[in-house]
Amino acid sequence: AQSVTQLGSHVSVSEGALVLLRCNYSSSVPPYLFWYVQYPNQGLQLLLKYTTGATLVKGINGFEAEFKKSETSFHLTKPSAHMSDAAEYFCAVSDLVGYSTLTFGKGTMLLVSP
Amino acid sequence: DVKVTQSSRYLVKRTGEKVFLECVQDMDHENMFWYRQDPGLGLRLIYFSYDVKMKEKGDIPEGYSVSREKKERFSLILESASTNQTSMYLCASSLGLAGSREQFFGPGTRLTVL
Repeated sequence: AQSVTQLGSHVSVSEGALVLLRCNYSSSVPPYLFWYVQYPNQGLQLLLKYTTGATLVKGINGFEAEFKKSETSFHLTKPSAHMSDAAEYFCAVSDLVGYSTLTFGKGTMLLVSP
Repeated sequence: DVKVTQSSRYLVKRTGEKVFLECVQDMDHENMFWYRQDPGLGLRLIYFSYDVKMKEKGDIPEGYSVSREKKERFSLILESASTNQTSMYLCASSLGLAGSREQFFGPGTRLTVL
């Protein structure tokens, strides 16, 4: 079974600082990888995804993530945090075989201080 | 844009009641999913469906059932609600195996069982 590990249930940054949210997965073959964001009392919204091709993926709101097969990682970054980035972020992975289910990490709450 | 709607944003029920949560998607997606979300546990898959009248158990199906009579609608049923089913419930949909496996989420239903 696949697993996704997000390091840190909470990450605090100052406005303007670099955002780094970590995600590691376990999979026997390179999977599809996703980052979702959830604002309070809302559903999840896709930030970005990796399927095939370029390993550096750009998403919405200035976020990007890099797929590193050798490290089985898919960390999310943003050069300069904004107050509106405060939300919960989920990393997810999908196998390329079987049903189209996603396995989610437990989430990381990003706190942005002025 | 894909739209996934859920019948209620907030729901309060009493222990032992039968509860129906409805989800509708408007993009002709083959797959539909029900998750529950609890603090510190992330998203856990309850059931999913890959076709009309087809269903598969997820990671935590106990105490739940589902129904998919039409392609666009996927219902989650709590036969006899219990207090430990108080949670946020999220519905999602995605294309079939030919797609990128990206899931589109509804806004969620926050269920409280008293």
